[in-house]
Amino acid sequence: QKEVEQNSGPLSVPEGAIASLNCTYSDRGSQSFFWYRQYSGKSPELIMSIYSNGDKEDGRFTAQLNKASQYVSLLIRDSQPSDSATYLCAVSSLWGGGFKTIFGAGTRLFVKA
Amino acid sequence: SAVISQKPSRDICQRGTSLTIQCQVDSQVTMMFWYRQQPGQSLTLIATANQGSEATYESGFVIDKFPISRPNLTFSTLTVSNMSPEDSSIYLCSVELDGTGVSYEQYFGPGTRLTVT
Repeated sequence: QKEVEQNSGPLSVPEGAIASLNCTYSDRGSQSFFWYRQYSGKSPELIMSIYSNGDKEDGRFTAQLNKASQYVSLLIRDSQPSDSATYLCAVSSLWGGGFKTIFGAGTRLFVKA
Repeated sequence: SAVISQKPSRDICQRGTSLTIQCQVDSQVTMMFWYRQQPGQSLTLIATANQGSEATYESGFVIDKFPISRPNLTFSTLTVSNMSPEDSSIYLCSVELDGTGVSYEQYFGPGTRLTVT
């Protein structure tokens, strides 16, 4: 059973701080890793994709991948109250000739003004 | 990315009835999926909607309860049949786009909020 684990939170950080969200996965053969943001009452929105070890930066967001440790993280710099949402980690692996994506349960982030 | 619409956006239905949810994409896509998300929970994949063939259902979901149609590469429907209050949930369609040639990014529709009384 392939699994994606996240701390459910809530994670509370003050405005302007760095928020660090973590995710571990069980399938060592996983190839693609995604972070989604989901505001309350809305559908998930893709914010970051990462495919190789190391860091990938996009504005205030940095995704970090360590395949040896089966660990992926999302850093949000200069956190804003508008970043308050649930962040879903998703991991994609080869499955039956195609890809299968497994979603974590999500981490709730609160950014306090 | 893709522009995805779903209809209806929400509905309140009586137990024992059925509801059909529509998902429309603004471009042709190979892979479309249907998910369920119950309040405070993560996404649960119901099935993969295959164009021209039967949908592929995940464990715990059956065609009689959740029949799916995929008549072309831009459209799919999910029917929730013989509903009970336990079917109250948000139903989401998603599409998979080739972002890199290595893997495929999923984009979600706005969802359908279903309440069964």
